[in-house]
Amino acid sequence: SAVISQKPSRDICQRGTSLTIQCQVDSQVTMMFWYRQQPGQSLTLIATANQGSEATYESGFVIDKFPISRPNLTFSTLTVSNMSPEDSSIYLCSPVRASGRKGADTQYFGPGTRLTVL
Amino acid sequence: GENVEQHPSTLSVQEGDSAVIKCTYSDSASNYFPWYKQELGKRPQLIIDIRSNVGEKKDQRIAVTLNKTAKHFSLHITETQPEDSAVYFCAAHNQGGKLIFGQGTELSVKP
Repeated sequence: SAVISQKPSRDICQRGTSLTIQCQVDSQVTMMFWYRQQPGQSLTLIATANQGSEATYESGFVIDKFPISRPNLTFSTLTVSNMSPEDSSIYLCSPVRASGRKGADTQYFGPGTRLTVL
Repeated sequence: GENVEQHPSTLSVQEGDSAVIKCTYSDSASNYFPWYKQELGKRPQLIIDIRSNVGEKKDQRIAVTLNKTAKHFSLHITETQPEDSAVYFCAAHNQGGKLIFGQGTELSVKP
């Protein structure tokens, strides 16, 4: 599996500010998924980002709040904008390299960014 | 949309006993079912997966079974050890190309 890194690993931010989370992969990937994991909860998909196109957001998530960039096939960023305490979560990227096989490709996760908003 | 239900939410077993976690899914077009283990403060780690053309898959002490007709799949851990203690998530890959996760099961293995 690819080596996935995220920056920062954790941060404590003030209400109303924004934080950009970076996800770097050591090989080219087709799709980048961004997830949120609220304390004690499961993983919720925020959006899917393909290089060269606008990210696709899930119900309940909007681009103004969670803008995403995907400048190349090894890197993506997720920004959490105008933060409130409810945004306190772990944010995880999950890159997928399309294998061309029939059916789904295996999905791995970055180490996560633990965000606390005061 | 796709919904994945996972039970139980917590499970406590004695070391050496077996543990079973069950999931049901709603999208009959789902064709891939991974299981992840998440230890405290760490990322989810893929431990086993199964595709819809297979009914059972085993990897040492871990096995997964799939019943497509009933739309449910289960994780079986035999000879549990304290290091198996973690939160386990099932997931189903839906027709839209996305993984939908269950709510998680907190497994505690008591020595």
